[in-house]
Amino acid sequence: GQQLNQSPQSMFIQEGEDVSMNCTSSSIFNTWLWYKQDPGEGPVLLIALYKAGELTSNGRLTAQFGITRKDSFLNISASIPSDVGIYFCAGYEPYSGAGSYQLTFGKGTKLSVIP
Amino acid sequence: NAGVTQTPKFRVLKTGQSMTLLCAQDMNHEYMYWYRQDPGMGLRLIHYSVGEGTTAKGEVPDGYNVSRLKKQNFLLGLESAAPSQTSVYFCASSSRDSSNQPQHFGDGTRLSIL
Repeated sequence: GQQLNQSPQSMFIQEGEDVSMNCTSSSIFNTWLWYKQDPGEGPVLLIALYKAGELTSNGRLTAQFGITRKDSFLNISASIPSDVGIYFCAGYEPYSGAGSYQLTFGKGTKLSVIP
Repeated sequence: NAGVTQTPKFRVLKTGQSMTLLCAQDMNHEYMYWYRQDPGMGLRLIHYSVGEGTTAKGEVPDGYNVSRLKKQNFLLGLESAAPSQTSVYFCASSSRDSSNQPQHFGDGTRLSIL
């Protein structure tokens, strides 16, 4: 199936720095979702984006739905140690029968924060 | 405020054994999903269900079966476990209130096949 290209795969940053990660696709998406996964737990929804150009914040997190509908980015400002984890992008493609129920995931960005 | 609950949390099986993983959600969601997560592979959809009594294949369905006899439960079965099925399994659910609702995940079942 469709794959999302998520980058970077991993990053090491100093506490207090800002972080940026993104996802791109060769086809358009109707919805972009950003999840965070802590070790030993399931993914937890951070931000949902439903409209091209939409910019949404959740505390220190900001995500945008690309105007072309083929990309999205997530920014984390002033990182803290508890930001450590794996961040996944995911998206729903335009309605295409059974496939419209299925989320497509990126492979994740592993974030490490150095105190 | 349970959300999506998976049981068991850990399990070790021998090759050829069978088992069933249980997923229960208390959010009255219509859609439920089973994924497996392997290092470097991200989350891959095994099977999903869009309502009670209905199931459909995802990206990697071979070796698994599912059942959705009750709206709140979605069972994943391994009839004859193989080492390649060693993985972390996640269940998720979402509502049908409008299109493209976010999926909510359980905490996973860590399965090792020896």
